[in-house]
Amino acid sequence: ETGVTQSPTHLIKTRGQQVTLRCSSQSGHNTVSWYQQALGQGPQFIFQYYREEENGRGNFPPRFSGLQFPNYSSELNVNALELDDSALYLCASSWGLAGNNEQFFGPGTRLTVL
Amino acid sequence: DQQVKQNSPSLSVQEGRISILNCDYTNSMFDYFLWYKKYPAEGPTFLISISSIKDKNEDGRFTVFLNKSAKHLSLHIVPSQPGDSAVYFCAVPWAGSYQLTFGKGTKLSVIP
Repeated sequence: ETGVTQSPTHLIKTRGQQVTLRCSSQSGHNTVSWYQQALGQGPQFIFQYYREEENGRGNFPPRFSGLQFPNYSSELNVNALELDDSALYLCASSWGLAGNNEQFFGPGTRLTVL
Repeated sequence: DQQVKQNSPSLSVQEGRISILNCDYTNSMFDYFLWYKKYPAEGPTFLISISSIKDKNEDGRFTVFLNKSAKHLSLHIVPSQPGDSAVYFCAVPWAGSYQLTFGKGTKLSVIP
């Protein structure tokens, strides 16, 4: 069974650029959630995709967008990067929408915005 | 406004002793609570959970206690081992979903 994988591991961008982060969910999982973890903070929920549709969004502006593909892998896109977007971006996969513990996280992508 | 608060950024404990990590929450409607553990360069991994209908849940060396009147939960690790050194997050799901609200985390260091 393959776990959740994310690419790239690290990324450096400059302010104003756009970035795409990728996540492959665990085999059999149809739900992907994305989180932003700033330094010294806990992960903050960005949004969730279920069967290729957005299902729930946290307090993030529209320049944060996403996609989920038929194989349930997912992308997180961030436009017009700002310095405060520097963070660890985590994706988590699960089966279905409800459940209290069966959510598996990837190792994250470290984004640095200069 | 933080709905889940972990007020201790760090904790150091001797190997073999008890580690107690604390978490406070503000919303009395929360009905499920989770603890995650995170090692450097890895994603968080689920550790243990507790439903609001219980006041204690135990899994091996890990026990979570819930005090609903105080809106407080704690994670006890007994005995602590060096491999337990990690950042621990408490989290609550929104209405049973996978959309989690996390605390800021407590970095536990277990000293051999």
